[in-house]
Amino acid sequence: EIVMTQSPATLSVSPGERATLSCRASQSVSSNLAWYQQKPGQAPRLLIYGASTRATGIPARFSGSGSGTDFTLTISSLEPEDFAVYYCQQCDTSPWTFGQGTKVEIK
Amino acid sequence: QVQLVQSGAEVKKPGASVKVSCKASGYTFTSYYMHWVRQAPGQGLEWMGIINPSGGSTSYAQKFQGRVTMTRDTSTSTVYMELSSLRSEDTAVYYCAAGLRGMAADAFDIWGQGTMVTVSS
Repeated sequence: EIVMTQSPATLSVSPGERATLSCRASQSVSSNLAWYQQKPGQAPRLLIYGASTRATGIPARFSGSGSGTDFTLTISSLEPEDFAVYYCQQCDTSPWTFGQGTKVEIK
Repeated sequence: QVQLVQSGAEVKKPGASVKVSCKASGYTFTSYYMHWVRQAPGQGLEWMGIINPSGGSTSYAQKFQGRVTMTRDTSTSTVYMELSSLRSEDTAVYYCAAGLRGMAADAFDIWGQGTMVTVSS
């Protein structure tokens, strides 16, 4: 199966700053990569699919890039509601696998 | 609106089985594949399998082969996930989720609220 590795495990950022999260696949997944946000006690929320397409209702401060094995989620200016755990997921080959998550916390 | 509503929390003993339901509304049930994902306490997300609500075909993660069964009832727009031979490591929140582009290989736009399954003697 394809192993997804996210870095860093924890990112400490101040509100208003930029956050950059990384995700690496153990083999190419083309552009079949999604990003999710999860807050405590809630289901994950789709942010990005196809590596760079924002899901419905997702603010423009969230952007995704990359293809093949290396991907990035950028939050241009962190709002208080953005502090959460973020997961990447490859949607290329079954089994669909997730990264272990990056926690974005308030600095 | 488009939504998935899951059944309530369950407490089971080791060796028992659990069956979780996920009722879809707000869209044509047979149009989109349904996935099941679980999350153990404090842990990440783990994909379990997929069902095509149209024909009922399934594909399961190797880890769960032989223990998981996914079914659907088109008359009630509901999918089911049954996990047998439960052990303590199966204690987790179980989610149903679906992509809205009509492909099996797709991101998950909508999620159920989650069902907590606790396995304890």
